[in-house]
Amino acid sequence: DAKTTQPPSMDCAEGRAANLPCNHSTISGNEYVYWYRQIHSQGPQYIIHGLKNNETNEMASLIITEDRKSSTLILPHATLRDTAVYYCIVTPLGNTGKLIFGQGTTLQVKP
Amino acid sequence: EPEVTQTPSHQVTQMGQEVILRCVPISNHLYFYWYRQILGQKVEFLVSFYNNEISEKSEIFDDQFSVERPDGSNFTLKIRSTKLEDSAMYFCASSVHVAGANVLTFGAGSRLTVL
Repeated sequence: DAKTTQPPSMDCAEGRAANLPCNHSTISGNEYVYWYRQIHSQGPQYIIHGLKNNETNEMASLIITEDRKSSTLILPHATLRDTAVYYCIVTPLGNTGKLIFGQGTTLQVKP
Repeated sequence: EPEVTQTPSHQVTQMGQEVILRCVPISNHLYFYWYRQILGQKVEFLVSFYNNEISEKSEIFDDQFSVERPDGSNFTLKIRSTKLEDSAMYFCASSVHVAGANVLTFGAGSRLTVL
């Protein structure tokens, strides 16, 4: 079973920031938080990952709380093309690539 | 941007037939994977492959399934005798480890329909 909890769905207005929360209260010290998304049954797409520090790349920012029990993925200026299912996945350092996908959060970006 | 290529995009087969799904991973990646997604359900891990052998496999990956890297570029998933419940989207992925992190790049998928 997935080690994370996410809201099943969220809406966001186009051009606004989308903040997607994730709860991972049982995370251990050697586990990363990864975010992937899946646009309409295409293959999952990597977004960002982090261990304990906040991270930013060209797609998004990842804010991890100090106790590491939750995190937030931020899409700074959501577009219609960001409509997708977003998955928060916790997996240990050096894992074999086995990702446990939950149901994720369906983000609907509206014009 | 480098990508993982999968063929065919859609295959229809009769129950009991053998199916081979093909994947060309990203050229400098060393780890290869198959995942599947039954319509309306979660993405599920099937198998990981490294250094010409299986690293890990799930309960789904039973004796009907096999993987192979027949040459330096292709990675294949074979289903020996397909069942109706094998109908799904199959995703190939590849990755390279960087500083303990393992970022997977997925292909667009092969849709398998078993009649």
